[in-house]
This record gives sequence, C-alpha cells and structure tokens, in this order.
Amino acid sequence: AQSVTQLGSHVSVSEGALVLLRCNYSSSVPPYLFWYVQYPNQGLQLLLKYTTGATLVKGINGFEAEFKKSETSFHLTKPSAHMSDAAEYFCAVSRAGRDDKIIFGKGTRLHILP
Amino acid sequence: GAGVSQTPSNKVTEKGKYVELRCDPISGHTALYWYRQSLGQGPEFLIYFQGTGAADDSGLPNDRFFAVRPEGSVSTLKIQRTERGDSAVYLCASSLTLGTGELFFGEGSRLTVL
Repeated sequence: AQSVTQLGSHVSVSEGALVLLRCNYSSSVPPYLFWYVQYPNQGLQLLLKYTTGATLVKGINGFEAEFKKSETSFHLTKPSAHMSDAAEYFCAVSRAGRDDKIIFGKGTRLHILP
Repeated sequence: GAGVSQTPSNKVTEKGKYVELRCDPISGHTALYWYRQSLGQGPEFLIYFQGTGAADDSGLPNDRFFAVRPEGSVSTLKIQRTERGDSAVYLCASSLTLGTGELFFGEGSRLTVL
C-alpha cells in the first residue's frame, strides 16, 4: 500500500526566509508524487507534480520539489517566503501507470511571520 | 460554472438519517473523485469514477456509503443511517482524464451528524 508522511503539522518561517516542507513516501511501485495547496476558504489546488523525467520539478508561485528515490522523499521548497504563502500543503502519491488512486498526507500548515 | 460545484455546502442532520451530497464536475472532465477530510487530517480517498463506472471504490468505509454517476457527469454520494463519525468535509474533484494527477477540487460539503 502507498502512503505519505509529512513531517511537522505546523511550520513557521519568517517572510523572506527559505520554506522547506518535508514529505516521505512509501510505494511498492514507482510513484507519481504531488504537492497540493489549500488556501483559506478555497479548494485544494495542484502546486506541482512528478511523474517521469526530470527529478526537480517546478510549480506555481516559485515552489519546487525534488524527487529523491534513494531517500524516498519529495520535499517542497521555496527560496523566499511571502505572506501569501500561508496555507495548508498536502503531499500525495499514486502508483505510476497502475491506477489513479491518489493518497494524501495529513498536511502541513505553513505560517509566515512578518 | 467554471469550477467543480458541490451542494449543499453545509448539511446538518440527525443520527440515523439519509444524506445525499452532489458534485457537478468541470465540463468535459471524465474522471471524478470523492474524498473525505476530517479536522486536522488530509483528504481520505473514497472512490473514483472514469465515466459512469466506479474504477476504484476501495475507500468507501462500509456499505452505508454509495456513490453514483449515471450519465458520466454529475455524481451523488449517498450515506445511509448516518453516524456521528461520518461528520467531515466531503470533497469532490474532477480531472480531464485519468493519468494526469491534476485534480480540480470543489470547496466541499461539510456534513455534521448530531
């Protein structure tokens, strides 16, 4: 069975500082990996995804994530946090080419300190 | 509308009652997903459809839960004999096709069972 573990249910960073949200996955077959974001009072939206090819993927709003198979990780980063980045972030996994059941982690709430 | 529409946005019911939650996906999207999100948790997979058929219903918690998509567009999640533990936000998402991992979520239907 597939699963994702997000380290830290809450992360606080200062405006302008590096954002690092951690995600480790477990999958018996090659995974597809995703980060979704949920802004207050809005539905979840896709930030970025890894399917095949380049292991460093770029998403919207300056976010990027790197697929590291050896570490079973897919951490999300942004060089400089902005107040508007405050939201809940979800890492998710599916089985590449097998099915489309997408399994989400518990989420990390990102707080931006002025 | 342009996005995924879910109705009702809020539903309060009494234990033992029957509830229907409706999802209207983005026009032309063939894949439709239902998730459930409890407070402090990530979205929990329930079921997904490709067209009219349920491709994977392994996440439905028990036989009180049932979902249909008779014409391959609108879907209804049906919950019989509701229990207090069914209280959650029920999320619907649609995708242009299977395999993209790009789900477009609605804002959810908040179900409260008293």
